[in-house]
Amino acid sequence: SQQGEEDPQALSIQEGENATMNCSYKTSINNLQWYRQNSGRGLVHLILIRSNEREKHSGRLRVTLDTSKKSSSLLITASRAADTASYFCATLGWNTGFQKLVFGTGTRLLVSP
Amino acid sequence: NAGVMQNPRHLVRRRGQEARLRCSPVKGHSHVYWYRQLPEEGLKFMVYLQKENIIDESGMPKERFSAEFPKEGPSILRIQQVVRGDSAAYFCASSQTGTSGGAYNEQFFGPGTRLTVL
Repeated sequence: SQQGEEDPQALSIQEGENATMNCSYKTSINNLQWYRQNSGRGLVHLILIRSNEREKHSGRLRVTLDTSKKSSSLLITASRAADTASYFCATLGWNTGFQKLVFGTGTRLLVSP
Repeated sequence: NAGVMQNPRHLVRRRGQEARLRCSPVKGHSHVYWYRQLPEEGLKFMVYLQKENIIDESGMPKERFSAEFPKEGPSILRIQQVVRGDSAAYFCASSQTGTSGGAYNEQFFGPGTRLTVL
């Protein structure tokens, strides 16, 4: 399996519910980032968490990072129909030397009104 | 404050033709990255360039693909003799600087070019 795998692959919830997506990776990282991609569109950077951080908040987003388990989670609280999109985690490793982001396969979130 | 611009947004080519994808980074950014996204998949790194230099092309297919970032003008990703398997979305990103002493500079992504090979 590749670096940065998201789980679940697809998630369907109702407006107002919370959505939790998980990401696992394999190698040591400098940081981990979450992006959103609306269908057929470009990427929107959501949040970056560094390897020495455990939790970060931004509005309705909460990201956790567990470097011992090599995993991260993205929580979207009080979801809205506009949150419908694909969500990707991306990691930057210590050994890459350059900014080669490694993306996961993504979680497709559908929020129904 | 224009972000990363890519053109064309959509490109249709027949098998065997050439595809040229252009990327203009954020003004003042001298680092450019190209990623490819196959349908229903995540983005895969292709190449990292600074002005006039290719720094890391470990994700580039060995044949038919090339990239440049000249001193003046946009970065170009060129695909020669396209095949159906080249159909994908190609994203460009730019950053102000590269990684330095562990410090990370955010990559800003363009809207992508969707290449369809008939």
